[in-house]
Amino acid sequence: DIQMTQSPASLSASVGDRVTITCRASQSISSYLNWYQQKPGKAPKLLIYAASSLQSGVPSRFSGSGSGTEFTLTISSLQPEDFASYFCQQSYSTWTFGQGTKVEIK
Amino acid sequence: QVQLVQSGAEVRKPGSSVNVSCKASGGTFSSYAISWVRQAPGQGLEWMGGIIPIFGTTNYAQKFQGRVTITADESTSTAYMELSSLSSEDTAVYYCARDISSTSSNWFDPWGQGTLVTVSS
Repeated sequence: DIQMTQSPASLSASVGDRVTITCRASQSISSYLNWYQQKPGKAPKLLIYAASSLQSGVPSRFSGSGSGTEFTLTISSLQPEDFASYFCQQSYSTWTFGQGTKVEIK
Repeated sequence: QVQLVQSGAEVRKPGSSVNVSCKASGGTFSSYAISWVRQAPGQGLEWMGGIIPIFGTTNYAQKFQGRVTITADESTSTAYMELSSLSSEDTAVYYCARDISSTSSNWFDPWGQGTLVTVSS
């Protein structure tokens, strides 16, 4: 299986900060990479698909980039509702997820 | 728009089985795939397998081969996930999700609300 490694595992940030989360694949996955947001007790929500396409209804402060083995999710100006966990997921082969990044209030 | 509603929480004893349902509304059920993903307490997400109802074809993660069975009933727009030989390590929230396929990726959207399965003696 393709291993997905996210970093950092957690981060503390303030409202208005620019936040970047990285996801690395153990082999090239082209653009077969998606990002999800999950709040406590809730199901994950799709943010970005195919590495850089913004899901309908998701605020434009979220963006994704990368291809091959290295990908990033960027939140340009962190809002109170963005404090949550974020997961990457590859769909190149036998879907696997990163271990998650928890974004906490500083 | 597509909505997925799952069955309620379950408590099972070790060695038994559990069956979780996922009812779809909106869209055309048979035309899209449904995947099952689980999340153990405080842990990450783990894909278990999926089904394409219109073809009845299934695909399972190797970890769960032989222990998970995913089915779908087109007449009720409902997918099912049965997990057998349960142990405490299967205690988790189980999610169904629509598995959307394109030439550039596959992704999960939307997700069901989740079903907590607790395995305890």
